[in-house]
Amino acid sequence: QITLKESGPTLVKPTQTLTLTCTFSGFSLSTSGVGVGWIRQPPGKALEWLALIYWNDDKRYSPSLKSRLTITKDTSKNQVVLTMTNMDPVDTATYYCAHVGGGLFHYWGQGTLVTVSS
Amino acid sequence: QSVLTQPPSVSGAPGQRVTISCTGSSSNIGAGYDVHWYQQLPGTAPKVLIYGNSNRPSGVPDRFSGSKSGTSASLAITGLQAEDEADYYCQSYDSSLSAWVFGGGTKLTVL
Repeated sequence: QITLKESGPTLVKPTQTLTLTCTFSGFSLSTSGVGVGWIRQPPGKALEWLALIYWNDDKRYSPSLKSRLTITKDTSKNQVVLTMTNMDPVDTATYYCAHVGGGLFHYWGQGTLVTVSS
Repeated sequence: QSVLTQPPSVSGAPGQRVTISCTGSSSNIGAGYDVHWYQQLPGTAPKVLIYGNSNRPSGVPDRFSGSKSGTSASLAITGLQAEDEADYYCQSYDSSLSAWVFGGGTKLTVL
């Protein structure tokens, strides 16, 4: 059974850096073809892909946010970490991590709501 | 403005059939990249409804079906049920952006 869970702060101040951790089980990020991605959803709005890291450490970023994002993995801990710098109120959203295979976001975490406010 | 365009809302009475369109371009759907569909029930994470254009994961009723043609894809739901009321998103890959892209989402209301 594959599960993922996001963790991190629920409130960050403008200009601060957000660090989110995705802890997963039921699969290995050392298995060929497997990836973990991050997606966010502002309240009442659509899904937006942010970043993705593959089993071979290949990293992909949303072009519009690339300068602010860093994704890393710790295979031994079954964790993927996303950092986003210079947070702004428009970054207020529910952040999801998901297991990725073949371009499909197959299994999703429950999401974590991050509010950016002073 | 999403790269993949969906109608903001659709509605239908119980038992009816509805379709949700997902219109892309030659750099995503038209380039041959698969389209996937997700269902997001209120207050929950999205779940896969259709993958690889027309395949249903186990557990998804056959009332849900997907198709793809040219630069567009469609999700059809037959025999509408109250529990189908949710937001639906299409997703693909865009080679011009080098990015995974989602549609703007469609809210389905069961009348």
